[in-house]
Order: sequence, then C-alpha cells, then structure tokens
Amino acid sequence: EIVLTQSPGTLSLSPGERATLSCRASQSVSSSYLAWYQQKPGQAPRLLIYGASSRATGIPDRFSGSGSGTDFTLTISRLEPEDFAVYYCQQYGSSRATFGGGTKVEIK
Amino acid sequence: QVQLQESGPGLVKPSQTLSLTCTVSGGSISSGGYYWSWIRQHPGKGLEWIGYIYYSGSTYYNPSLKSRVTISVDTSKNQFSLKLSSVTAADTAVYYCARVGATFDYWGQGTLVTVSS
Repeated sequence: EIVLTQSPGTLSLSPGERATLSCRASQSVSSSYLAWYQQKPGQAPRLLIYGASSRATGIPDRFSGSGSGTDFTLTISRLEPEDFAVYYCQQYGSSRATFGGGTKVEIK
Repeated sequence: QVQLQESGPGLVKPSQTLSLTCTVSGGSISSGGYYWSWIRQHPGKGLEWIGYIYYSGSTYYNPSLKSRVTISVDTSKNQFSLKLSSVTAADTAVYYCARVGATFDYWGQGTLVTVSS
C-alpha cells in the first residue's frame, strides 16, 4: 500500500502570503493519479487539483500543483480568507486509493 | 451536475451491521466510466477510503476493512450501498459517498454514523 505523508501538519500564515504544502509518497506515484482536495469544517472535501497539476473546474489560478514520482507540492500563491482549510493529497494505484493525513492552513 | 446523497441510520449498536445507501442524481451509474466509492472520516481525523464499485458489480476494498465490507449497486434505482459488519465504536465516523474517475470529483454531503449501545 502506498502511504502519503503530508507536511507540515499545520501551516500558520496570514492572508496574502504564499502557502507551500508537501505530499510525499512511500513509493512512486503516477502523476496522472495524484490529486489535492480542500476541506472546510462541516463540508465534504472539494477537488482542487488532478493529474498532479491540473486545476479542477472553477478552481482559482492561485492554486497550483506540481511534482512527480514521490514528491508533490500544492502551492497557494496568495492566501485569501476562504483558503484557510485542511488540504489532503490522494493517490490512486493498483485499484486502491489512499489519502494523506492532511495539512491544516490556519490564520496566523 | 452530478449529485450524491447518503442515507441510513445515524446510530448503530456495537456488533451490528452498518448500512448506508448513496443515491445518485444528474448522472447514471450504468453509463460507465466511473467507479462509485465510500470514504469515511473519523471525528477530527483524516479521510479513509473504504472501497468502490463499478456499475458491473466489480468491487475493490481497502485491505484493512475488506473482511467486514460489502459494497453493492442497484442500477435500476441509480444507487449504491455500503454494509459494514461487526461494528465497534472505532467505526463511528462521517461516511461519504463519491464518484471516482482517477479522482473523487463529486461527493455527497456526508452522514454521521455513531456506534453506541
């Protein structure tokens, strides 16, 4: 089973700052099958990025994804108040899905 | 716009079977091209994939839950269902259903299931 480790666990930043979130896989992941989600309290997760770097429909361009192999990154270029949330990476491989443990982006 | 809605009991007794149904609207399960999945989230914790099913009935389960999980599909009702047997307090969680391509692109709102006597 591929384990995804996200870091940091919590990121304390101010609106307007840049956020860089990391997702590291225990073995190589196909970029086609690496995604990022945003979850706010009391809500279901929302797909942000698929294929490691493609934005889902309606996602602002301040969100970007990059990486390959075992190291992937979600970047939020300038944090808006609505971006403070928990972010999860997810991979699909061998007919199984796994999620990372999440990174909470909180207001400093 | 695809929409998913979970339904089922919010309270289940220990050792019993948890049963949930996901009703899909705005798209047909039997049209193919997607898997249909269950995911859960323990209170204050991260996301755990439970398993998914194709319209044909092919299933894939999380190995950690495989011995207790059954996912089935009813294409005539455009629904798929989850059964989790022999539940304990550790199965208390919000349960989500979702559509899966290579990503989970549409989600239900989630339903809290509490395991307690």
